[in-house]
Amino acid sequence: QKEVEQNSGPLSVPEGAIASLNCTYSDRGSQSFFWYRQYSGKSPELIMSIYSNGDKEDGRFTAQLNKASQYVSLLIRDSQPSDSATYLCATRANNLFFGTGTRLTVIP
Amino acid sequence: GAVVSQHPSWVICKSGTSVKIECRSLDFQATTMFWYRQFPKQSLMLMATSNEGSKATYEQGVEKDKFLINHASLTLSTLTVTSAHPEDSSFYICRASARGLAGRTDTQYFGPGTRLTVL
Repeated sequence: QKEVEQNSGPLSVPEGAIASLNCTYSDRGSQSFFWYRQYSGKSPELIMSIYSNGDKEDGRFTAQLNKASQYVSLLIRDSQPSDSATYLCATRANNLFFGTGTRLTVIP
Repeated sequence: GAVVSQHPSWVICKSGTSVKIECRSLDFQATTMFWYRQFPKQSLMLMATSNEGSKATYEQGVEKDKFLINHASLTLSTLTVTSAHPEDSSFYICRASARGLAGRTDTQYFGPGTRLTVL
């Protein structure tokens, strides 16, 4: 079983819509959770971190964490074409584990 | 904000040659450097962790004699791919962990990556 699992997509949403990205993890000892955006040919860029159950909002991004269900999600409101990228979920207990990423395409 | 650089950004080499990739923390002291490898459409895979002045700790399945890591100073770590082969072609990314960056998570300090192509 992989430490972090994501739907590889691709996920396509129209411009202005809400994009919903999901992630599950296997290690109940995970304490920190992260979402990264990775453009093609570039390294990951941290966009959200969340540490406790519930929602965390930052601009158009909302991260949601449910430790009981071992589930993390990222919502992107008012999606823009510039949001088109691969989104990596990562969790940390001792080490930092990455999911394989979900490819998001925002259609103008 | 804290910046991590990598050099070169891309490199093409012949099979059997060695390639050195540098990772530098530009405005902070990186006590730990992490080296990742990412194949197309796959996730980042941790190769090794190095602490300044100590030998690197390699992940299972990563050949330490093939991927030489040096972390001789708090601002520089190098990864040398020795006797490179086409299957080593990948995107190599470093991440720096810094001591003393109060209020900031160390999970954001990735280098820009190095694209290695072995012919």
